[in-house]
Amino acid sequence: AQRVTQPEKLLSVFKGAPVELKCNYSYSGSPELFWYVQYSRQRLQLLLRHISRESIKGFTADLNKGETSFHLKKPFAQEEDSAMYYCALRIHNYGQNFVFGPGTRLSVLP
Amino acid sequence: DTGVSQDPRHKITKRGQNVTFRCDPISEHNRLYWYRQTLGQGPEFLTYFQNEAQLEKSRLLSDRFSAERPKGSFSTLEIQRTEQGDSAMYLCASSFYGQGARADTQYFGPGTRLTVL
Repeated sequence: AQRVTQPEKLLSVFKGAPVELKCNYSYSGSPELFWYVQYSRQRLQLLLRHISRESIKGFTADLNKGETSFHLKKPFAQEEDSAMYYCALRIHNYGQNFVFGPGTRLSVLP
Repeated sequence: DTGVSQDPRHKITKRGQNVTFRCDPISEHNRLYWYRQTLGQGPEFLTYFQNEAQLEKSRLLSDRFSAERPKGSFSTLEIQRTEQGDSAMYLCASSFYGQGARADTQYFGPGTRLTVL
């Protein structure tokens, strides 16, 4: 079955430190991966998607098909990065569409 | 257009009652999604529409759940004979499916929090 795992429920780092939010997926087809972010008292919003190969707010993520991973990275964390981060997999089977991971709460300490 | 809106924002109901939620997508968006989110979990896909056609529905979705998008604009999600396990945040998202790198980017609404007593 298609699955997205995010092993850390909570990740705390100090401001200026590098951050890596882990995401692994299981899917036999061609994956399309996304990172979504939810800041406090805001809506869930798209951060980035692997097909765009973009950097948003200093975050990047590389799809590694061999390791079935799509880890989110930022070299220097900022306090405003504190939020809930969800990794999501888009699939194209009947009865499914997007599969979200359980989320990781990132806390950037001053 | 201020984005995706959902109504009501909160709903408390007694077990066995029916509830209906509404989602108004961004006006030019042709796709509309429904998700359910419980505490400590990510959103769980329920169903999605392209225009007025319901293209996919989660196999995990009980027959008590039904969704419509009659004119390809707003959508309703109805839960019949609610159970305590239906208590969750119900999220709606819309997107424009078409050409372009940002096509099919989902924009989420604020959600409807359902509590079944």
